[in-house]
Amino acid sequence: GQNIDQPTEMTATEGAIVQINCTYQTSGFNGLFWYQQHAGEAPTFLSYNVLDGLEEKGRFSSFLSRSKGYSYLLLKELQMKDSASYLCAVRVRGGATNKLIFGTGTLLAVQP
Amino acid sequence: DGGITQSPKYLFRKEGQNVTLSCEQNLNHDAMYWYRQDPGQGLRLIYYSQIVNDFQKGDIAEGYSVSREKKESFPLTVTSAQKNPTAFYLCASSISVSNQPQHFGDGTRLSIL
Repeated sequence: GQNIDQPTEMTATEGAIVQINCTYQTSGFNGLFWYQQHAGEAPTFLSYNVLDGLEEKGRFSSFLSRSKGYSYLLLKELQMKDSASYLCAVRVRGGATNKLIFGTGTLLAVQP
Repeated sequence: DGGITQSPKYLFRKEGQNVTLSCEQNLNHDAMYWYRQDPGQGLRLIYYSQIVNDFQKGDIAEGYSVSREKKESFPLTVTSAQKNPTAFYLCASSISVSNQPQHFGDGTRLSIL
């Protein structure tokens, strides 16, 4: 089967760094996405990894190890507005199409 | 500005009624999707469409129906056969099913009266 695991909740302090992990067991891996979702709002795209290594985009970085089935999202210089749910999603090949499989999300609370 | 519009934001349904959720996009994307989001669960795919006049069942299609008569529009009908329809419904689109990321609408929260 297809499975994605993320911690349910995390707490961090404003100005600090936090790492949100995601492990996956899927067949037909074809890329991994991170989304941010504030309560009651649309998920917004943060990052994409398809090859091993680190992708950096401002305060956000994402890492992928395909051999370990592992990714993390790194948030630096945390701000209160970063309090949100962070969704890990794996794209898998399915015949002629690709499909996204989502984890349950990690709810991050940033405290002053 | 380009984007995805879902309406209404909140919707209430009586038992035994069908209800249709609207999704419109002006991003000129070929692919569109419907997801359901429940507390403690990841987004689950209901239906997707690669192109106009074509759509495919996702993982939890039972009790739902869709149409794709125009590129911009992908309405979802929650039928009375869906036994647990209370959820947050998200519509998304992408350039194609092979070319993501997916861009999401703001969602519709459906509740049963």
